[in-house]
Amino acid sequence: GQSLEQPSEVTAVEGAIVQINCTYQTSGFYGLSWYQQHDGGAPTFLSYNALDGLEETGRFSSFLSRSDSYGYLLLQELQMKDSASYFCAVRSRGQNFVFGPGTRLSVLP
Amino acid sequence: DTEVTQTPKHLVMGMTNKKSLKCEQHMGHRAMYWYKQKAKKPPELMFVYSYEKLSINESVPSRFSPECPNSSLLNLHLHALQPEDSALYLCASSPGRDTATYEQYFGPGTRLTVT
Repeated sequence: GQSLEQPSEVTAVEGAIVQINCTYQTSGFYGLSWYQQHDGGAPTFLSYNALDGLEETGRFSSFLSRSDSYGYLLLQELQMKDSASYFCAVRSRGQNFVFGPGTRLSVLP
Repeated sequence: DTEVTQTPKHLVMGMTNKKSLKCEQHMGHRAMYWYKQKAKKPPELMFVYSYEKLSINESVPSRFSPECPNSSLLNLHLHALQPEDSALYLCASSPGRDTATYEQYFGPGTRLTVT
């Protein structure tokens, strides 16, 4: 089967940098994704890593180490609007798309 | 247009009612998904349609019945639900099942309350 772990909560101040970690266990591996979900809203796609290394998209970056079954989402220059839940997700061969438990990020002024 | 629409936004139904949730996308995507999300929990996959055929049913109770009338539409028929089925029901689509990992678009969801 598949299992993912994330910290349940992270708090940071505006302008800071925060890292949200994700570890996973899966048989076969097609990549690690990150989604953002504001309260009452739909999940929106942020970033995806199929290969080891860092992917950068504006203020957001995502990293993957397949040998460690580990990835993280890095958010820079935090803004109040970044307060949301962040989910990592994986799909592996023959398996379904599974979300991690989610990390609630609170950005303080 | 990268929009997935869902109707209704809110639905309250009794345990003996029959209702349907609707989802529509016009991005030409060939994979569509239903998820269930409880408060403060991640979305849980229920069904996957690929090229209008049901390809995954995650052991969902038969009181939930999906239907894909065409490549743009996805329905979820509800019958004899239980109060614990109250949740946010999300529809999503992706160009194909293989691109679900990095190109999955979600609708705003239907907030369902079963009384």
